[in-house]
Amino acid sequence: DQQVKQNSPSLSVQEGRISILNCDYTNSMFDYFLWYKKYPAEGPTFLISISSIKDKNEDGRFTVFLNKSAKHLSLHIVPSQPGDSAVYFCAATPGGSQGNLIFGKGTKLSVKP
Amino acid sequence: NAGVTQTPKFRILKIGQSMTLQCTQDMNHNYMYWYRQDPGMGLKLIYYSVGAGITDKGEVPNGYNVSRSTTEDFPLRLELAAPSQTSVYFCASRYRGQALNSPLHFGNGTRLTVT
Repeated sequence: DQQVKQNSPSLSVQEGRISILNCDYTNSMFDYFLWYKKYPAEGPTFLISISSIKDKNEDGRFTVFLNKSAKHLSLHIVPSQPGDSAVYFCAATPGGSQGNLIFGKGTKLSVKP
Repeated sequence: NAGVTQTPKFRILKIGQSMTLQCTQDMNHNYMYWYRQDPGMGLKLIYYSVGAGITDKGEVPNGYNVSRSTTEDFPLRLELAAPSQTSVYFCASRYRGQALNSPLHFGNGTRLTVT
């Protein structure tokens, strides 16, 4: 059973438009959420995170929204750029743990010029 | 600043062979992790370590062993390779101090094929 779900395997967006990547989770003990970006033949790199005490966190073109009641988070990229084309992983961790992350399957974003 | 370094980048093993995947980090991170990623899947935790001399199982530890004799190194050992262990293996590290949550830093992975 997947505790972190990314139901869209892929997403295609035009350059300059908004990209919205979605993530759902089932474990109510999760209290910290992260997004990682992965290019081919490289390891994932940290993008942005959010604590469960917040509902929004912004870093430049990237914003993560958290809806605890719906157990849903989303990553918004505005404006999208061709260099954003990558696989995006949502990850979550329960509070008080060793910080072991549970990852979703990823969404492949393609930003077309 | 090298970060997390994994060797080798690629390896092909025959069933029953053994090998060690090397991982070293130069960031003085106390926590280290091994994940595997199967095609179309997310990363699954194999083993982790919270400091030298301390290791613990993750979600999918069967068929693997680890050791952590130094802060820098966290090798992953496959004793009897099986086709089910064909995957991309990622090592990661982070510093966990007063901030309970800090992001993982990943290496570039080892692509392993068992035939």
